[in-house]
Amino acid sequence: DAKTTQPPSMDCAEGRAANLPCNHSTISGNEYVYWYRQIHSQGPQYIIHGLKNNETNEMASLIITEDRKSSTLILPHATLRDTAVYYCIVRVATGAAGNKLTFGGGTRVLVKP
Amino acid sequence: KAGVTQTPRYLIKTRGQQVTLSCSPISGHRSVSWYQQTPGQGLQFLFEYFSETQRNKGNFPGRFSGRQFSNSRSEMNVSTLELGDSALYLCASSSNSGSPEQFFGPGTRLTVL
Repeated sequence: DAKTTQPPSMDCAEGRAANLPCNHSTISGNEYVYWYRQIHSQGPQYIIHGLKNNETNEMASLIITEDRKSSTLILPHATLRDTAVYYCIVRVATGAAGNKLTFGGGTRVLVKP
Repeated sequence: KAGVTQTPRYLIKTRGQQVTLSCSPISGHRSVSWYQQTPGQGLQFLFEYFSETQRNKGNFPGRFSGRQFSNSRSEMNVSTLELGDSALYLCASSSNSGSPEQFFGPGTRLTVL
């Protein structure tokens, strides 16, 4: 699985958009970008994933650059409950290849009132 | 649908003992993965079971083992406990039908004294 680089921490104002960057310059053509988050004392939670097109769901948007070497997770209107560690993970699609996730250090996001 | 359950939630053991942790995946899910989370090493993949077979294995010593039953429930065992085994042990289940989402349980907090 390709390695990812994320800033260790960032603050965000409640109600504003939070933009979380992730660098994955060695990503391969068949690798997806996944985002998970872990709220304190809970198990990680899946947020979103994508291959090359931008993706949006009820939780967030994922913007992947055209060369796929970096991506940005956008929380459109951050709330205090979004305070968590966010993990960017790059891996091949799940299925026969197995479901192993390789977590890096993640970005600790603190949403402030 | 009930989520992933892990038992026990908290456990205190002494060095040299062994421990067995249990994970019940979401109904219908056939893949169960185990992770260890420590402040120093972060989230690390232990192993994955699918249809009672180990499909992937992380870089952990042989003291860490697991198994999966025909009802997809999984157990992991750690023998000859060391102080460094103190950690949050998380399991995640997935349907493996192509869904990229893994559902994590709340974890078992193991303390080795």
